[in-house]
Amino acid sequence: NAGVTQTPKFQVLKTGQSMTLQCAQDMNHEYMSWYRQDPGMGLRLIHYSVGAGITDQGEVPNGYNVSRSTTEDFPLRLLSAAPSQTSVYFCASSRTGSGNTIYFGEGSWLTVV
Amino acid sequence: AQTVTQSQPEMSVQEAETVTLSCTYDTSESNYYLFWYKQPPSRQMILVIRQEAYKQQNATENRFSVNFQKAAKSFSLKISDSQLGDTAMYFCAFMKAYSGGGADGLTFGKGTHLIIQP
Repeated sequence: NAGVTQTPKFQVLKTGQSMTLQCAQDMNHEYMSWYRQDPGMGLRLIHYSVGAGITDQGEVPNGYNVSRSTTEDFPLRLLSAAPSQTSVYFCASSRTGSGNTIYFGEGSWLTVV
Repeated sequence: AQTVTQSQPEMSVQEAETVTLSCTYDTSESNYYLFWYKQPPSRQMILVIRQEAYKQQNATENRFSVNFQKAAKSFSLKISDSQLGDTAMYFCAFMKAYSGGGADGLTFGKGTHLIIQP
């Protein structure tokens, strides 16, 4: 009963390095999304996807890339990490259609130094 | 675009008391969903309760209930018989309703840190 799995859980990057946060779900959900959570803030939407091959930008997409080649996976790429990207990242999924229960992963703590 | 405002950064109550967390939102949409999420120290996001805007009846889940006032754009959460395990951050969130299976994402407030004192 894995649900939404994020890896890695913790990561320290140097400014300018690139990395990929992995997200996988085993519930056959069409909808997947990435959020970031900064201190004193709620979660903010980075990118989302309503199905394989379809992605769209959320509220804070700059500095991040996504792709959706399979239903199960939705990786988030940081091409050139910046200290402003230090945050906790959450992946989420749900069945397609608004209002369905959104299931969140446990979060990935990213520090950029 | 929509905004969600939680005006209480922190609240503290005694165990077994009833507490109400406030949330207001601003939107031009007529059809949408509202949610309350709980985030304990583990950071896991846990859905507490959901409300469809087209439903007049307030949602209830065991000790948790909401007071949804659509005209006032208000969506408060009431926790009855509060327990130590209710200590957490609580986030109010908004999602636009799409017809035909579409979706985008949740818009969150900044959260209320609820502390239940023994």
